[in-house]
Amino acid sequence: GAGVSQSPSNKVTEKGKDVELRCDPISGHTALYWYRQSLGQGLEFLIYFQGNSAPDKSGLPSDRFSAERTGGSVSTLTIQRTQQEDSAVYLCASSLALAGPTTDTQYFGPGTRLTVL
Amino acid sequence: QQPVQSPQAVILREGEDAVINCSSSKALYSVHWYRQKHGEAPVFLMILLKGGEQKGHEKISASFNEKKQQSSLYLTASQLSYSGTYFCGTAPRAGGTSYGKLTFGQGTILTVHP
Repeated sequence: GAGVSQSPSNKVTEKGKDVELRCDPISGHTALYWYRQSLGQGLEFLIYFQGNSAPDKSGLPSDRFSAERTGGSVSTLTIQRTQQEDSAVYLCASSLALAGPTTDTQYFGPGTRLTVL
Repeated sequence: QQPVQSPQAVILREGEDAVINCSSSKALYSVHWYRQKHGEAPVFLMILLKGGEQKGHEKISASFNEKKQQSSLYLTASQLSYSGTYFCGTAPRAGGTSYGKLTFGQGTILTVHP
């Protein structure tokens, strides 16, 4: 079946512009995660959605970052007034949410490479 | 707190073995291992949930030493396809800002040459 998809695959923007990154999780997966991967670094947790529960936003680095998940499926990560330090690969993952983030297998999308000039 | 992986990079010839370690300063509830090839999505390898647990995936296996708060990934008789960056993700047993979510190490770059 189809895996996690993300769009766009690459995004180049100018400093100060807003960007929207999209994630389509695997059908039937109720949990969705956003991570950021800077060059040569590990995956930095940003936000976690589980069903209709309030999202865990504890990883968002500033109030310029926000995310929504509509209808329990597609998610959009929005970065306002982008800065050069926002340049990174933004990865989305989804899981069946059988037991929670600490034990569920997360399936990752290919990521969106964001470059802020 | 981010787990620490070692080594940062390793170069092998086909058929050689390697061990990648993942250490945490906190007591761990679970350890997840992923492999990411350049420009691709991380791919799940295995999860360890119990201290002393060992798991295998083809010629790749892992152990979880709960007392030492660490996990090790073992790659035996390496193949060219094993090349990539290996990440461990850890979930702490107790509270704190990282409780209830995975925190990933910085990755170990594995290169297998013919």
